[in-house]
Amino acid sequence: GAGVSQTPSNKVTEKGKYVELRCDPISGHTALYWYRQSLGQGPEFLIYFQGTGAADDSGLPNDRFFAVRPEGSVSTLKIQRTERGDSAVYLCASSFFAGEMNEQYFGPGTRLTVT
Amino acid sequence: KQEVTQIPAALSVPEGENLVLNCSFTDSAIYNLQWFRQDPGKGLTSLLLIQSSQREQTSGRLNASLDKSSGRSTLYIAASQPGDSATYLCAVHPYSGAGSYQLTFGKGTKLSVIP
Repeated sequence: GAGVSQTPSNKVTEKGKYVELRCDPISGHTALYWYRQSLGQGPEFLIYFQGTGAADDSGLPNDRFFAVRPEGSVSTLKIQRTERGDSAVYLCASSFFAGEMNEQYFGPGTRLTVT
Repeated sequence: KQEVTQIPAALSVPEGENLVLNCSFTDSAIYNLQWFRQDPGKGLTSLLLIQSSQREQTSGRLNASLDKSSGRSTLYIAASQPGDSATYLCAVHPYSGAGSYQLTFGKGTKLSVIP
């Protein structure tokens, strides 16, 4: 069906608050990825799911960041005790499967601003 | 650690010119390389994906080449148009064993095509 969707498109929150960012992958895609893009930089990998499990979370910056994908489709990135340095665009991508032919399709991103 | 560099950081050309964007990467052990386009405030649109066994891919006015042994890729845009104005990102999918499928991105080249 449609492409990868992300909600909200913009989120402004105060320092110390909790936020949740949502990603709806392309229907039928089993692999899902989260990236973070700071101003003037390329996206940086955060975490990757194959099905319901986090296959690689090596990019999560610290334990304030957590992501889930309970039913193997929609994923939520959760950030606790937000800091101003968390301000960035959070991008989600999905692919049909994870492997050599895994072209990743990206969503429009969620712009997070921590004041 | 894989590093991806894109030169130049910004490029301005008159409409109709042919142009080349460069991407280099430090570790030649890659699955594939992707070129993306990013419009201001938007997500990433995949332009071309080159598998490690391929030398080039073409789509319309775009041609991407890959020289894996030297760690280089180029994106050639023919007959540039103002609508081509965007940031172009190069990303490699490093081969890092089972369970890791993260893309490593460059910082991008910001292209402006002047009417």
